[in-house]
Amino acid sequence: QVQLVQSGAEVKKPGASVKVSCKASGYTFTSYGISWVRQAPGQGLEWMGWISAYNGNTNYAQKLQGRVTMTTDTSTSTAYMELRSLRSDDTAVYYCARELDYGEGYFQHWGQGTLVTVSS
Amino acid sequence: EIVMTQSPATLSVSPGERATLSCRASQSVSSNLAWYQQKPGQAPRLLIYGASTRATGIPARFSGSGSGTEFTLTISSLQSEDFAVYYCQQYNTFGQGTKLEIK
Repeated sequence: QVQLVQSGAEVKKPGASVKVSCKASGYTFTSYGISWVRQAPGQGLEWMGWISAYNGNTNYAQKLQGRVTMTTDTSTSTAYMELRSLRSDDTAVYYCARELDYGEGYFQHWGQGTLVTVSS
Repeated sequence: EIVMTQSPATLSVSPGERATLSCRASQSVSSNLAWYQQKPGQAPRLLIYGASTRATGIPARFSGSGSGTEFTLTISSLQSEDFAVYYCQQYNTFGQGTKLEIK
């Protein structure tokens, strides 16, 4: 079965960077894209961006352009999301999600979430 | 940028009754719309995609309809496990969510 297992919770100071991993199993990694979605405490869902595990193409949310980088390592079937210049309003649970079909934009499978806390 | 607006923010319904949730897009998204269910402490779960197609394993009491700018998620007979927050989504934009609570 498809599984996405994310790295553990992080506590960071303002201005620092965080890199969250998402290890995939149960399917051919390069046949799908991975999106990242975050959720601030008590708030709704915010799409952060998408990366093709096939060719590494990316599409980032405009508000995060310049601060976010998504990458994949096909040798380990792992996707990564790095967010730089962290602010307190980046405190959130970060999810990776695999799309239903390549490029379709519906998120069928989700990781368990990674809590990132930004605090001085 | 497309804005997705859900209504109502909170919906109180008794178990066994029907629930109707709405989602409006600021411009036409054709049938490119999904619905998700999220329970506290859990990741979202895909319910409906393509506006009306149930995802794998989703009970038949969940149905989606609409196209263009107006969409509806209907839960025909609410079960206890259905009380949760529901989000609509068009690719890179989510609605703000509707909390479905027990009346």
